[in-house]
Amino acid sequence: AQSVTQPDIHITVSEGASLELRCNYSYGATPYLFWYVQSPGQGLQLLLKYFSGDTLVQGIKGFEAEFKRSQSSFNLRKPSVHWSDAAEYFCAGMDTGRRALTFGSGTRLQVQP
Amino acid sequence: NAGVTQTPKFQVLKTGQSMTLQCAQDMNHNSMYWYRQDPGMGLRLIYYSASEGTTDKGEVPNGYNVSRLNKREFSLRLESAAPSQTSVYFCASSESIQETQYFGPGTRLLVL
Repeated sequence: AQSVTQPDIHITVSEGASLELRCNYSYGATPYLFWYVQSPGQGLQLLLKYFSGDTLVQGIKGFEAEFKRSQSSFNLRKPSVHWSDAAEYFCAGMDTGRRALTFGSGTRLQVQP
Repeated sequence: NAGVTQTPKFQVLKTGQSMTLQCAQDMNHNSMYWYRQDPGMGLRLIYYSASEGTTDKGEVPNGYNVSRLNKREFSLRLESAAPSQTSVYFCASSESIQETQYFGPGTRLLVL
């Protein structure tokens, strides 16, 4: 079955430290992949997306993600985390033949001062 | 541009009551979606409308109905609410089915 997995339920990092959030996918062909962020009580905001082409994708708020076909991964990174980055992060995928996004279960990021 | 708007923001229902969640978008998008979000489960698709005049079931359609009223509006109806439908409901829209989806702020529903 097609799926997106986020292995880490909760991550805590210090402000200024680097961040990597993991996402693995299971699709027959190269899927469309997305990262969304959700602040408490808010809707989801798109950080970045990968459809094809360059495997390193730049997004908003200083985030980037790298598509690695060999590892079936699409990990989200940020070199220096800010306190305002504390939120829940969702990876999502879409098979090019399907009509809906499949979401991972989310990773909650806590930022320590 | 308001983007995607949802009403109400919060609702409490008793088991068996009915209600309709409203969603509207002002981005001239063709496709619209309803998701529910439950702790530890991410978002799951309830129904979607690829274009005006069409609707299709998603992953968890049981207990829900939808109406694509026009290009802007897509409503979700609970005919007989159950406690298992306590959740946060998100509406989203996209230019087409395989384009980026944009989300509304959500409706928090509590069924007692």
